[in-house]
Amino acid sequence: ILNVEQSPQSLHVQEGDSTNFTCSFPSSNFYALHWYRWETAKSPEALFVMTLNGDEKKKGRISATLNTKEGYSYLYIKGSQPEDSATYLCAFSGGGADGLTFGKGTHLIIQP
Amino acid sequence: KAGVTQTPRYLIKTRGQQVTLSCSPISGHRSVSWYQQTPGQGLQFLFEYFSETQRNKGNFPGRFSGRQFSNSRSEMNVSTLELGDSALYLCASRPGQVNEKLFFGSGTQLSVL
Repeated sequence: ILNVEQSPQSLHVQEGDSTNFTCSFPSSNFYALHWYRWETAKSPEALFVMTLNGDEKKKGRISATLNTKEGYSYLYIKGSQPEDSATYLCAFSGGGADGLTFGKGTHLIIQP
Repeated sequence: KAGVTQTPRYLIKTRGQQVTLSCSPISGHRSVSWYQQTPGQGLQFLFEYFSETQRNKGNFPGRFSGRQFSNSRSEMNVSTLELGDSALYLCASRPGQVNEKLFFGSGTQLSVL
């Protein structure tokens, strides 16, 4: 059973502050690492898919980095806004028959 | 382009019954995956279909099955429902490659009484 861990489990951040959280995954048999944002009453929405060690992706105020050798990825949000409130999920792909293994997510709440 | 469509949106069943959930992927997407979301476990992979063939399977009992049709629409069936099957079932599609991002539907909320 693959272990994908996300920390912290929840996070309260003041509007305008920057924040980051972590996804840990197996460092062997790596194929891809996905990040999704899941807002209340909506469907999960893809942010990034990263495949190469050292990959850095950016989408507006959100960026992510990837370290496949040590098995972690960071998601950064710069200048948090209320609309950033959501659960952020990472998912590991080993390329095999297990599909995507999701972490339990980081629940982010932006306080005005 | 229409998104991923799941029906029904809500479903209430009793223990022992069976249920069929439906998923229509984005036009042109040949891969459909199913996930179960429960409060304690998070999103867990059920199975993935690609071009009418099951490509991957998660660690769920044989009561959970699925299929995919030639138009890429997919159905998931759960037989002999148990209370623990109460969950949000999400379907996701992608064009076909394993490294592509998933596009999720709104889900079917199943309650087993």
